[in-house]
Formats: sequence, C-alpha cells, structure tokens
Amino acid sequence: DTAVSQTPKYLVTQMGNDKSIKCEQNLGHDTMYWYKQDSKKFLKIMFSYNNKELIINETVPNRFSPKSPDKAHLNLHINSLELGDSAVYFCASSQGERNYGYTFGSGTRLTVV
Amino acid sequence: AQKITQTQPGMFVQEKEAVTLDCTYDTSDPSYGLFWYKQPSSGEMIFLIYQGSYDQQNATEGRYSLNFQKARKSANLVISASQLGDSAMYFCAMRDWSSASKIIFGSGTRLSIRP
Repeated sequence: DTAVSQTPKYLVTQMGNDKSIKCEQNLGHDTMYWYKQDSKKFLKIMFSYNNKELIINETVPNRFSPKSPDKAHLNLHINSLELGDSAVYFCASSQGERNYGYTFGSGTRLTVV
Repeated sequence: AQKITQTQPGMFVQEKEAVTLDCTYDTSDPSYGLFWYKQPSSGEMIFLIYQGSYDQQNATEGRYSLNFQKARKSANLVISASQLGDSAMYFCAMRDWSSASKIIFGSGTRLSIRP
C-alpha cells in the first residue's frame, strides 16, 4: 500500500491551461503539505493543511489553490499555467508533533510548454 | 528566523570510505527537530534520520549517524562505509514550534560515490 500517493506522476501541458494534482495519504496523519522543487533542487513549502484547515500559505501566486475535502486528501489546482511553474511538486503528510518528519509522495513533474 | 545551510553543493567519495555532509542551522526556538532526507536520481524523498534538540545522544540509523553539536548549531550527517547506492542528493531539514509545523530544507548536497 502506498502511504502518500500523488497523481499524475508526469504532467505536460501548454501555457495558459488549468491543471490539478491529486494527493491522498492512508497514514492517518493530521497534516498535509505541498512543496515545490525547482530546477536547482531547492524545496520550498507552498501550503499546509491540518484537518482540512489551511495553516500555512506561503507567498504563492493566487493561481495556485489547494483544496482539502478531508484530512486524507489535499489537491492542488493551478490556473493559467506559466513556463515558470515547471517544477516537481511534492505532497507530504505528517503528524503534528515536531519529532515526526514527513512522508513524501513520489512527486509530480510538471512541464509547461 | 529559521535557516538551514548546506555549504557543500557536491562531493565525490571513494566507495567504502566514510563521508560527512555538513549542515548548520539557525533558530531561536529551544525546541526543534533536525532531519536528513535522501533523494536518489529516481526523485523520491527518503527519510534517513532524526535528531531532537533535547536528545542527549547522537542519532544513529544503520550506516547513518548524525553528529549533533548544539552549541555550534550543526547537524552533520555521517555515512559509514559508503556504497554506490548512496549516490544521491542529501537534504538537511529542520522543524520548530515557531514554524507552524512546517519543515524547511537546506539547498542540498549532491553526493557521488566512485567505484
């Protein structure tokens, strides 16, 4: 059983399109995250939800909108895609305590052409 | 403000040698956790080891150990008896109370093991 699953794994799309990435975790964790990894491998947090409530919203263009229908799911919708949105997007989950790290999904490689 | 610094963008090591990957951090929170993750070329993020700020002993997990020097704010990863499969990106990361549960990552070190 995959603990944190993201779909799709690869996404190639044209500028201006709208796309979604889905994430589901079966670990019973309370908190889920979206991270963006750029071409230089730098990982930056975008959003975090705890029990369906948004708790972290970093400086991200409002074309990016997360949605959490329940605590096991956190989806990322991106409107009007731009070339600079090309990156690997990681979903992750964790328990609330600080000594818990994240369990990551396998990542979604988004390429905007 | 939180900060994680990895000063080695890339390293080459001979197989079977030990290797130390450097990490320094900055936080004003006395309570925090430090992590190391491995990212092989396949792209997934693999948790390696955790160290809590109040832990008395350095963390160890198999061939991985964390050299935690609190006064210096350093949390170096030591890999003993390196193997070809250790070739990957390695990220140091930190989580503290002031960060609303988020983990921040360093810029990573690309480790290459030579046969």
